[in-house]
Amino acid sequence: AQKVTQAQTEISVVEKEDVTLDCVYETRDTTYYLFWYKQPPSGELVFLIRRNSFDEQNEISGRYSWNFQKSTSSFNFTITASQVVDSAVYFCALSSNSWGKLQFGAGTQVVVTP
Amino acid sequence: SAVISQKPSRDICQRGTSLTIQCQVDSQVTMMFWYRQQPGQSLTLIATANQGSEATYESGFVIDKFPISRPNLTFSTLTVSNMSPEDSSIYLCSVEVVAGDTQYFGPGTRLTVL
Repeated sequence: AQKVTQAQTEISVVEKEDVTLDCVYETRDTTYYLFWYKQPPSGELVFLIRRNSFDEQNEISGRYSWNFQKSTSSFNFTITASQVVDSAVYFCALSSNSWGKLQFGAGTQVVVTP
Repeated sequence: SAVISQKPSRDICQRGTSLTIQCQVDSQVTMMFWYRQQPGQSLTLIATANQGSEATYESGFVIDKFPISRPNLTFSTLTVSNMSPEDSSIYLCSVEVVAGDTQYFGPGTRLTVL
């Protein structure tokens, strides 16, 4: 069975602080994909990153960075120098087949205050 | 990626009635999915909408309650039948342009059942 755990329910930071969101996954498959999505208060789900199980390179995109470690089954997400616009719920998700079923974590609410 | 629209964006319905939600994509896509997000919760896959055949439902979801159509490669509908207050959720359509690729989500339909 697949499972995604986001243990942090809510994280509150002051603007310009860094924030790291944890994601731990479980799967028996050797080929799988990990995702992060952002859901701002408006409700739409915004795609942030997709990573396959064979690519453990960390990735940086602007203020966002991701740390994928297969040894600990983790795919953590860091926002550097947070801004108020980063306030949203962030979901980690797992897919381990080519037919698209996404298993979502519970989500982490990030609140950035000025 | 793909541009996805959903109609209606929100609705308030009476118990016992039905609502049909439309999902339109600006280009042909291989896979289309419907998710439910109950208040304060994560996303749960309802079904995969198959073009020209019956949808594939996940455990806990049945065709009589959530009939789905997909007449072509750019359009799908989800009906929420015989609604009760427990059906109050955000319903999201998602697509994969190519099977196994990233899933992109529509803006969602916020449904409130009184």
